[in-house]
Amino acid sequence: DTAVSQTPKYLVTQMGNDKSIKCEQNLGHDTMYWYKQDSKKFLKIMFSYNNKELIINETVPNRFSPKSPDKAHLNLHINSLELGDSAVYFCASSPGTGFFYEQYFGPGTRLTVT
Amino acid sequence: GESVGLHLPTLSVQEGDNSIINCAYSNSASDYFIWYKQESGKGPQFIIDIRSNMDKRQGQRVTVLLNKTVKHLSLQIAATQPGDSAVYFCAEKEANNLFFGTGTRLTVIP
Repeated sequence: DTAVSQTPKYLVTQMGNDKSIKCEQNLGHDTMYWYKQDSKKFLKIMFSYNNKELIINETVPNRFSPKSPDKAHLNLHINSLELGDSAVYFCASSPGTGFFYEQYFGPGTRLTVT
Repeated sequence: GESVGLHLPTLSVQEGDNSIINCAYSNSASDYFIWYKQESGKGPQFIIDIRSNMDKRQGQRVTVLLNKTVKHLSLQIAATQPGDSAVYFCAEKEANNLFFGTGTRLTVIP
C-alpha cells in the first residue's frame, strides 16, 4: 500500500498554462508538505498544512496555491506556469508539526515547462 | 535561512567499507538535524535524526555525529552495500522551518 501518493508522476506543459498536482496520504497524519527540488537536487519546502490549515508558507510566488480539502489530501495548483517552475515536486506527510516528526515523502512529480 | 552545505558532492566507496558523509551548518540555534536518503526516481527517505542536546546517535548500520562546536554533522554507514547508493541529504531545523543541504551522491563499487 502506498503511504504517500502523487499524481501525475510526469507533467509536461507549456508556459502560461495552469496545472494541478494531487497528493494523498493514507497514514492518518495531521501534517502535509510540498517541496520543490530543482535540477541540482536542492530541496526546499514550499508549504506546510496541519489539519487543513496553512502553517508554513515560504517565499513562493502567489501563482502557487495549495489546497487541502481534508487532512489526507494536499493539492498544489500552479497558475501561469513559467520555465523556472520546471522541477520535481514532492509531497510529504508527518504525524505532527514542528519537524520533530519523521516525514514520509511521495514519489515526486516531475514538472517540465516548455 | 542559514545555509546547510556539504563538504563533498560525490563519494565512491568499495562494498563492505565504511562511508562517512559530512555536512556543515551555519546556524548555531538549530536544534534538530536529519539525514535523508534519496534513491534515483524516488522521494527522500528518513534515515536517522539527532537533537542538538546529543552528540551521537546510532541506528542500524548508521551513526550520526553532531559537533556543535564546529557546526558539523556526519553520517557514518557501516559495511556499505550496493543498496546504499543514493544521494544523501542533511537537513537542519531552524525555528519553524527545515533547510536541506545540497546532497552528496554515494556510489558503492561492488
